[in-house]
Amino acid sequence: EADIYQTPRYLVIGTGKKITLECSQTMGHDKMYWYQQDPGMELHLIHYSYGVNSTEKGDLSSESTVSRIRTEHFPLTLESARPSHTSQYLCASSDRTGGTQETQYFGPGTRLLVL
Amino acid sequence: GQNIDQPTEMTATEGAIVQINCTYQTSGFNGLFWYQQHAGEAPTFLSYNVLDGLEEKGRFSSFLSRSKGYSYLLLKELQMKDSASYLCAVRGRTGGGNKLTFGTGTQLKVEL
Repeated sequence: EADIYQTPRYLVIGTGKKITLECSQTMGHDKMYWYQQDPGMELHLIHYSYGVNSTEKGDLSSESTVSRIRTEHFPLTLESARPSHTSQYLCASSDRTGGTQETQYFGPGTRLLVL
Repeated sequence: GQNIDQPTEMTATEGAIVQINCTYQTSGFNGLFWYQQHAGEAPTFLSYNVLDGLEEKGRFSSFLSRSKGYSYLLLKELQMKDSASYLCAVRGRTGGGNKLTFGTGTQLKVEL
């Protein structure tokens, strides 16, 4: 299992504010991911990274940006928050320790409410 | 593209057995995962199938038929704590990275 942490767990913020959601993992996993999940809906991949200085956009278009300067850290930034960004954001990581399985392990999530 | 279908809700009795089905249509197939997600919490990994057949892990088993694009998760000796959403996720073509496509999840309610 991965030890993966997200902060803050809950965030209420006004429209137009810049926010950064933090994600860190202590297992040295190469791959990290950001998902967005609305209540009762499926997880949608918004960003992923295969290693340091590698970031890609996911299947769901997002106005957020990410960076991967260190292996253990994969922050997500919204330059100007809007009510449409209200959602739960889940971070995950995976590695090849289990061969081809590459299970993704999730952090506890950040619930974001933009007023 | 990828499409995953699961029943929205299921109800079962404590101590019973329940089977949650998942059908998928993908451009390539490179593994299927089942996750459990309690309300307000993160998904936790339950099982992985990449070859046809049954994988058993304690009270939980998962089956895969690649030719039919079908999987199921079997939960035995149901407990109240098994009330949660169960997510089916498929990894597509080899070389597409480790990206997963998730279904909307099946909300399981275990009753006395």
